[in-house]
Parts: sequence; C-alpha cells; structure tokens
Amino acid sequence: EPEVTQTPSHQVTQMGQEVILRCVPISNHLYFYWYRQILGQKVEFLVSFYNNEISEKSEIFDDQFSVERPDGSNFTLKIRSTKLEDSAMYFCASSQTTVVETQYFGPGTRLLVL
Amino acid sequence: GQQLNQSPQSMFIQEGEDVSMNCTSSSIFNTWLWYKQDPGEGPVLLIALYKAGELTSNGRLTAQFGITRKDSFLNISASIPSDVGIYFCAGRLIGGNQFYFGTGTSLTVIP
Repeated sequence: EPEVTQTPSHQVTQMGQEVILRCVPISNHLYFYWYRQILGQKVEFLVSFYNNEISEKSEIFDDQFSVERPDGSNFTLKIRSTKLEDSAMYFCASSQTTVVETQYFGPGTRLLVL
Repeated sequence: GQQLNQSPQSMFIQEGEDVSMNCTSSSIFNTWLWYKQDPGEGPVLLIALYKAGELTSNGRLTAQFGITRKDSFLNISASIPSDVGIYFCAGRLIGGNQFYFGTGTSLTVIP
C-alpha cells in the first residue's frame, strides 16, 4: 500500500537555527499538507499546498515558516529561526483530491528545539 | 482557532465492553471526521460524516453527525486490545477548507 514518508524521524536543533523537514507524498497525489502536534495536545493545521502554491494556511503559519515542492517528489517545511515553542511532532499529509477521506498522514518528524 | 471539545478525556475499559465518546463545538460544521492515532504514528482516518443526522459504520465503529451540526459521537462495540490509542474528531466549517482537530480521547483497553 502506498504511504507518505517523512525524514528525519527525529531532529534536535538549537534555538535560532533553521530546520527543513522533508516529506515524500504518495506519488499520484496532488494536495499536500503540514500539521503540527505539540506533545500531548491536539493536531493543528499549518498549511495546504496545491499546484505549487499555498492554498490555505493557519494563523500558526507565520513568516518563519515556508513550504516548497523542490522537485516532483519532495514536499518540505522550513522553519527559518526555530523557537523553543516550535518543538512538536510535524505531520505531512497528502491527498489525491480535496476530498478528505483520501488524505493520508505520514509518520511524523519529532522536532526538539533546545 | 476553533475549539472542539472531546469527552471523556481518557477511558479505561475492559476488553469486550462498548465505548462511547463525543465531540462538541460552538460552531456549525459541514464535515466531521474521526481519526485514531497510535503512539509515534500519524492519525489514521476511521470515519467521515457529511450530513446532519448521518450515521455511518465501519466494522465495530459507528459515528453520527449531530442534528445541530455542532457535535458528533463515536461508538466502538466489543472493544479489543488493539483499539488502544488516542481518538480525535476533526471538523470543517461551512465554506472553509481547513480541519480543526479536537482535544482527543485516550482509550486504554484492559485485557
């Protein structure tokens, strides 16, 4: 069964450093998403991406965040200058259409900012 | 952001028992979803609901879209150990695209 993959599984970084989280969505999917889950809390929507541009973003997704599809397979989330409160599990998801039942989540990247 | 409250926050039940959990909001949603999250993994979609009053089943799971469109419940019948995990509801506002997730219900099944 096709699946969304994410790398790295864990990342530890110093406050103020830039991090790039990588995702490989399912190959025939067209819509891509990033979510965040702070430890013990609910999943929060960050951004959705379609046709090489952001289609929707939440209030969490400020100027420190950016997304990119640098090639035909990867989808990345960049945090320019990490803060302690960016520590969380970051999930990538993809879907073939905007119909949500086709949205598949990756296993997540656990980011720890020290 | 929107606040979706789930109750109970956690449940400890014996294997074989039925489970019921719900999700409420002060806003009206046009779509409700229920996800299960295992430790260290991403959420997996269980059931999607699109119409007020809709009742949908997926094996031992049954979910309903509340008539007021402000709530939804999930029932699990005859629980088994692999039902352990955190269950999240998620809702989409009318006219919106993003989903708001609930606070989660942690389920523990005692063999």
